[in-house]
Amino acid sequence: NAGVTQTPKFQVLKTGQSMTLQCAQDMNHEYMSWYRQDPGMGLRLIHYSVGAGITDQGEVPNGYNVSRSTTEDFPLRLLSAAPSQTSVYFCASTALDRGNTEAFFGQGTRLTVV
Amino acid sequence: DQQVKQNSPSLSVQEGRISILNCDYTNSMFDYFLWYKKYPAEGPTFLISISSIKDKNEDGRFTVFLNKSAKHLSLHIVPSQPGDSAVYFCAASGKGSQGNLIFGKGTKLSVKP
Repeated sequence: NAGVTQTPKFQVLKTGQSMTLQCAQDMNHEYMSWYRQDPGMGLRLIHYSVGAGITDQGEVPNGYNVSRSTTEDFPLRLLSAAPSQTSVYFCASTALDRGNTEAFFGQGTRLTVV
Repeated sequence: DQQVKQNSPSLSVQEGRISILNCDYTNSMFDYFLWYKKYPAEGPTFLISISSIKDKNEDGRFTVFLNKSAKHLSLHIVPSQPGDSAVYFCAASGKGSQGNLIFGKGTKLSVKP
């Protein structure tokens, strides 16, 4: 059981470039989310989805787009990368129908924007 | 304004002793609390959780205590082991926003042999 898989693990972008961070889960969870972790800031919610075709903004959504065409995949797009988006990005999935909110996280993508 | 606060950035404990990690929250709508453990270059892994209808939850060496009146929770690890050395995050979620976790900044625990 792979759980939550994120690709790539590392990425360096130039300012203004765009890219997509991939996230896939094989647990058939309805809820998926993206967080970023910055030094001394903990994890902050970027976007989330409660099911295929439904997405919404979290705490820090600016500069990012998401879509959810299938239950399994939840890609995060950086439209025009900025140095402020240098961070570690974590994708998570959660089985809300179990009555709790335990999130399973991927290994993370370390992104550097120069 | 931080809704979940972990005021101790680091904690050092001797192997075999108790580790106590603390967390405070400000939002009274939070009804579910979780602790995550994170090793360097890995994603956070779920450790233990507690619903607001309880004041204690235990799982092996890990116990979480919730004091709703004080808006405070703590994670106790007994006995502490060197493998417990990691960053521990406290997180909370509320009704109507299940799945949306609000995280503290984390506490780095070092367990010395």
